[in-house]
Amino acid sequence: QAVLTQPSSLSASPGASASLTCTLRSGINVGTYRIYWYQQKPGSPPQYLLNYKSDSDKQQGSGVPSRFSGSKDASANAGILLISGLQSEDEADYYCMIWHSSAWVFGGGTKLTVL
Amino acid sequence: QVQLQQSGPGLVKPSQTLSLTCAISGDSVSSNSVAWNWIRQSPSRGLEWLGRTYHRSKWYNEYAVSVKSRITINPDTSKNQVSLQLNSVTPEDTALYYCAREYVALDDWGQGTLVTVSS
Repeated sequence: QAVLTQPSSLSASPGASASLTCTLRSGINVGTYRIYWYQQKPGSPPQYLLNYKSDSDKQQGSGVPSRFSGSKDASANAGILLISGLQSEDEADYYCMIWHSSAWVFGGGTKLTVL
Repeated sequence: QVQLQQSGPGLVKPSQTLSLTCAISGDSVSSNSVAWNWIRQSPSRGLEWLGRTYHRSKWYNEYAVSVKSRITINPDTSKNQVSLQLNSVTPEDTALYYCAREYVALDDWGQGTLVTVSS
């Protein structure tokens, strides 16, 4: 079982909100991890968005709009990237990442379609 | 503003060594507050962290278990760059390779180098 699992795709309408999940493998407690989020558009490297550990311990990437935010769902053992006020330019692949067992580990990514 | 410029061959033969360089501008490879990472991306393996080097009074290296026996990441302080060597490559090493600067996260990325392993 992968360390981080993301839905392969998600669709949402312009102006709506999208909630992207990153589920940690059973036995790995989301509460102890800082979750990092990246956006990748075709032909470009991943771009850092933000990280989230708790409501009092989070950081927004430089220049990243506030409509991108992070949270956790402890009951689902998952990190969440919430994108509000969706715009066409938000259509991209989104990856989560954690530092686990002395390595950076990435999720498989979610392709977000805005239509 | 930090910029990372990658260079190296795009085609490597099986069993040979993959060598890439990441030239750093806007920061120092010897900085005590950052680390320099290599990551690769392929359709079959997704984003895969390979390893990193960093300086904290002395140099440290950390490598992914999957490539630990084949990988070397070296800083070059005279040229302010970091290099990746991956030995004994196979077609499974075909991927887009990135270097990345780690400060808060993997904050800044190189442009990527597509490396194909083929005879």
